[in-house]
Formats: sequence, structure tokens, C-alpha cells
Amino acid sequence: QKEVEQNSGPLSVPEGAIASLNCTYSDRGSQSFFWYRQYSGKSPELIMSIYSNGDKEDGRFTAQLNKASQYVSLLIRDSQPSDSATYLCAVNKSGGSNYKLTFGKGTLLTVNP
Amino acid sequence: EPEVTQTPSHQVTQMGQEVILRCVPISNHLYFYWYRQILGQKVEFLVSFYNNEISEKSEIFDDQFSVERPDGSNFTLKIRSTKLEDSAMYFCATNRGAEKLFFGSGTQLSVL
Repeated sequence: QKEVEQNSGPLSVPEGAIASLNCTYSDRGSQSFFWYRQYSGKSPELIMSIYSNGDKEDGRFTAQLNKASQYVSLLIRDSQPSDSATYLCAVNKSGGSNYKLTFGKGTLLTVNP
Repeated sequence: EPEVTQTPSHQVTQMGQEVILRCVPISNHLYFYWYRQILGQKVEFLVSFYNNEISEKSEIFDDQFSVERPDGSNFTLKIRSTKLEDSAMYFCATNRGAEKLFFGSGTQLSVL
């Protein structure tokens, strides 16, 4: 059973559009949820973290969490070509300081100029 | 922004050889991790280390793997007898508490 699932993509959007990335997870005990951006050959870079149901906004990014549906999403508004990367959803069973993260395989996003 | 430093950036080794991957965590961080990513696959947790001992490890982290903090600054991952399937990008990560996890730039390990 896959613990964190994402559509692998590629997801292609035009510049200026909204990109919508989705993730589901299997462990109902999961406490904290993260979106990372990973450029090819580089390390993951934290974009957003979310811990409670609802929306969390940071600039052009909005993370949404629905624990009842075991669903996390990331919206990127006014997408830019520099947003082209693989977006990784990660889940932590602990809400504390120990980051034993379970990652999805990632969704490749391409933003076309 | 503070950085987690990893060396070497690339490591090529022969099957059966031992390798040591090195990480210099951010100075006031307390929690240390190793993750790996096989090409085209997901990032996988290997081990977490806190207060000079392993706090959790995954099924991947078997007897051929070990970690230590030999001098209070470096954090190392040793793979005793490398296998072809150990070829991957290995990421060190650190955090101070319940805040942002910082990833190093990674060591690409190629086992021939």
C-alpha cells in the first residue's frame, strides 16, 4: 500500500495560470504535512508546511489540508517558469521535532512562457 | 540562510568497498537525518539521530549502515560493503526543533 500518493504528471500550465497539485496519504495518525520543491539533481526545498485542517497561504502558495479525506493540496497562483520543478508531498506521523518524513514520488510541473 | 554542508558531492566506489559520507550540520541544530533518493524514485528516510544516538531507523537501514557524530561537528553515514543498489543521492538533513528541516545539497553515490 502506497503511503503518500501523488500524480506523477507532468502537469503543464501556462505562465500566469494557477497550478493545482494534489496528494493523498494513508496513515490517519499523520500530524504534519509539507510541500517541497525539487529541481533536477538538487535537494528538496521547503515551500509550505501545514498542521491543521483548512487553508494556509504564503505569497503565491496556498496549502490545503483535509484530514477527514486524508488529502493535501498545493495551489500556485500566477505560475512562473521558475516554478517548473518536481513538487514533493511529505507527511510526518509526529507533530514534534523528529522529522521522519514519508515522501510521495512527486509531481513534475512545467510552466510554459 | 544557514546551510547544511555535505561532502563529497560525488562518490564513485567499487561494489563491496566501504564509503563514508560526511555532513556538517547547522551549528545549533540538534536533530540529524539521512535520506536517500534512488534516481527517478521518491526520497526515502534512512535514519534519525538525536542526543548522540539513533532515534529511529527505516527497514533500509540494515547492518551495513551506521551513523556517528565523531567529533561533535561532523555527522557521518558509513556503508560497510556497498552494493549496486546503494547507488543513490544521499541527503543529510538537520533541524533545531519543531521548525524547518534543512537539507544538504546531497552526495551522489555511484557503486560500480
